[in-house]
Amino acid sequence: GAVVSQHPSRVICKSGTSVKIECRSLDFQATTMFWYRQFPKKSLMLMATSNEGSKATYEQGVEKDKFLINHASLTLSTLTVTSAHPEDSSFYICSARDAGNSPLHFGNGTRLTVT
Amino acid sequence: AQTVTQSQPEMSVQEAETVTLSCTYDTSESDYYLFWYKQPPSRQMILVIRQEAYKQQNATENRFSVNFQKAAKSFSLKISDSQLGDAAMYFCAYRGGGGADGLTFGKGTHLIIQP
Repeated sequence: GAVVSQHPSRVICKSGTSVKIECRSLDFQATTMFWYRQFPKKSLMLMATSNEGSKATYEQGVEKDKFLINHASLTLSTLTVTSAHPEDSSFYICSARDAGNSPLHFGNGTRLTVT
Repeated sequence: AQTVTQSQPEMSVQEAETVTLSCTYDTSESDYYLFWYKQPPSRQMILVIRQEAYKQQNATENRFSVNFQKAAKSFSLKISDSQLGDAAMYFCAYRGGGGADGLTFGKGTHLIIQP
């Protein structure tokens, strides 16, 4: 089946630094990728939608200058948390699909801790 | 905007018994998709079952089945012959028929399996 690889699985960074999370589709071309955020014992909240070769579409309330999304190829999307603060600590999950109404495939998530 | 409501924060069931998780949603669209995802402690999102709104027949996947009531905007998940491995968070999710949107998730139901 389709596999989405997310890296790193865990990252700890200091306040004020930036961290990049990668989401790769391993055996299909992902025209659309989605980034979600999940707080402990909470649901997944859609942050943004990225389409290959175009700017990401951010959900209301998500700071586009803080959460930079790049989808430069059909197999890779990156989320960069810039100038991270402790309140950015969360679980970030990406998902991807190849086209149309095909099912979404999720990465294993990244646990970000900002100290 | 679409909303997904899961009114049961936690459910408990005896092993081998049947349990039903409830989900309601609100939308003005006529074409859409509904999903149930399982999230075990590993945090990996696992697709359990999917229902296209235009299909009247309820989806089934082995021990998992849904009761889709389109007029009532209800989409419950029935798990038969519950197994210890079914213990997880279960999220109901909605996606518009256009296919371009990410998923809107409910708050989740924590399912406990009593041995």
